[in-house]
Amino acid sequence: GAVVSQHPSRVICKSGTSVKIECRSLDFQATTMFWYRQFPKQSLMLMATSNEGSKATYEQGVEKDKFLINHASLTLSTLTVTSAHPEDSSFYICSAPGAGDTQYFGPGTRLTVL
Amino acid sequence: QQQVKQSPQSLIVQKGGISIINCAYENTAFDYFPWYQQFPGKGPALLIAIRPDVSEKKEGRFTISFNKSAKQFSLHIMDSQPGDSATYFCAASDLQFYGNKLVFGAGTILRVKS
Repeated sequence: GAVVSQHPSRVICKSGTSVKIECRSLDFQATTMFWYRQFPKQSLMLMATSNEGSKATYEQGVEKDKFLINHASLTLSTLTVTSAHPEDSSFYICSAPGAGDTQYFGPGTRLTVL
Repeated sequence: QQQVKQSPQSLIVQKGGISIINCAYENTAFDYFPWYQQFPGKGPALLIAIRPDVSEKKEGRFTISFNKSAKQFSLHIMDSQPGDSATYFCAASDLQFYGNKLVFGAGTILRVKS
């Protein structure tokens, strides 16, 4: 099946710094990708829809200036957490729709902000 | 309207038994219902999915039962194995209007005792 990768898998940063997370579709092209965050023992919460060649669409309550999304090509979307704070510590997961209706998820990135 | 309600929150099943997880939805525009399996620290992986034009779909030990009139669908795991111990999420999307944007249930933590 289709593969979605994320990099890095884990990142630890100091409060106030910015962190970039990459999401790549390895063997298919994706004009749309989705970014989720997941707190321990909770469900996935959709943050935004990343659109290749245009602005991302953010869900209600998600700060677009804090979570910058860039969909630079048909296989790459990036999420930058700007001025990270401890409350931004979470598991960030991206997904991309493949053939048919199937959506493929990346392995996730564990962000810890000290 | 956009919610998917999932139950139970957690489930313990003996090896070889049947695991049953239920989901209910309100939005009649939903037209795609996938189930995802997630292991700790990993991204969700698609298990099985169904469209509302069929009442049941089976793939190996996994079966989705779908009741359109009741707006409910369920996952049955036959001959449950310790390796099935994971968190399971149901989801739904309105492919026609919202594309591949998924709404997730809260998740069910399944533990299969050997």
